[in-house]
Amino acid sequence: GAVVSQHPSRVICKSGTSVKIECRSLDFQATTMFWYRQFPKQSLMLMATSNEGSKATYEQGVEKDKFLINHASLTLSTLTVTSAHPEDSSFYICSARDREIADEKLFFGSGTQLSVL
Amino acid sequence: QKEVEQNSGPLSVPEGAIASLNCTYSDRVSQSFFWYRQYSGKSPELIMSIYSNGDKEDGRFTAQLNKASQYVSLLIRDSQPSDSATYLCAVPTYNQGGKLIFGQGTELSVKP
Repeated sequence: GAVVSQHPSRVICKSGTSVKIECRSLDFQATTMFWYRQFPKQSLMLMATSNEGSKATYEQGVEKDKFLINHASLTLSTLTVTSAHPEDSSFYICSARDREIADEKLFFGSGTQLSVL
Repeated sequence: QKEVEQNSGPLSVPEGAIASLNCTYSDRVSQSFFWYRQYSGKSPELIMSIYSNGDKEDGRFTAQLNKASQYVSLLIRDSQPSDSATYLCAVPTYNQGGKLIFGQGTELSVKP
């Protein structure tokens, strides 16, 4: 299957700092990438849809100024958590869809565990 | 009604038994259905996809789809302790741009 690389895998930071998470599709091109957040014992919640070359589409209740998404190329999307606070501590997972495949299946990165002190 | 609904479990089965995981969805026009497995602290891994009514088998896994009932299930035969994980049902929602919506997941525990 397609490989999605996500870095870093774990971040511990102080409250008020910004954290950048990278998501790369390694062997395919992804016009669309998706960012999910998962709290312990809960399911994945879609935060935003990242579209190459255009603005991201955010889900209701997700602050676009706090969670900045950039999808500058067909293989890279970044999520920046600005001025992180303890309530932002969560497992962030990116995913991508292979644009060559007429299918909605997603390939996931390995996730980033963010802990804000 | 939630868009994708699963029993949260936990579902406990003995090693070697059949584990049956169920999922219902609300979007009648959905055409693709996916089962992901997620180990604790890891990201989801695609294990099955199904697009047509009926059964689809892949090794010890069988996905069953009934579009009329808006129901999709996953059977795991000869369950192994390594199958212990959370299983997520995912369905694209065409009325929301094809986004993949996940159920809350069913935690499966296979006891040796």
